[in-house]
Amino acid sequence: QVQLVQSGAEVKKPGASLKVSCKAFGYTLTTYYTHWVRQAPGQGLEWMGIINPSGISRTYAQKFEGRVTMSRDTSTSTVYMELTSLTSEDTAIYYCAREAAAQDEGLDVWGQGTTVTVSS
Amino acid sequence: EIVMTQSPATLSVSPGERATLSCRASQSVGSNLAWYQHKPGQAPRLVIYEASTRATSVAARFSGSGSATDFTLTISSLQSEDFAIYYCQQYHKWPRTFGQGTKLEIK
Repeated sequence: QVQLVQSGAEVKKPGASLKVSCKAFGYTLTTYYTHWVRQAPGQGLEWMGIINPSGISRTYAQKFEGRVTMSRDTSTSTVYMELTSLTSEDTAIYYCAREAAAQDEGLDVWGQGTTVTVSS
Repeated sequence: EIVMTQSPATLSVSPGERATLSCRASQSVGSNLAWYQHKPGQAPRLVIYEASTRATSVAARFSGSGSATDFTLTISSLQSEDFAIYYCQQYHKWPRTFGQGTKLEIK
């Protein structure tokens, strides 16, 4: 069964760093792009960035440039999203999602989401 | 960046009726437009891609139309499970941007 399974909920202090994992089942990670999208409380969906199938190329939303790093471990079929210098505004549900290599079919499989709370 | 604007913010419709949701892009995105359904406590679900292609397992009552800057998601006969927030997203240019969402609620 094709699915993305994310790591569990996190509580972080302001200024700390966060690393969320997203493990792929039922398909080959190296044939799909992986996106990260977040939703803050009461807000809409916000696109954060993407890592390409080879894991070599990444594109980040300008808002997160310098604070976010997306990486991939093909041996475990896992993609990671690391976010540094956390503030309360980073409190959100973080989702990973896959996109086919042709990039013309939308984000068809999503992880279950990881709830992140940033609080002192 | 391309700004996606959805209207209305909230749409109240009775079950069995038709719902029409709009999405406008600040510049042309061709047909590179997707619609997602999002329910509380669940992950978003792809409904439409390439402006008018239904995703796998999506009911035929969902249809998408439009191109360039103006797009529409139509749900022909609303079922109880269709009440949710719907987002459009362009994938024509970086960064990929979402609209702010339309909440489809039961009238």
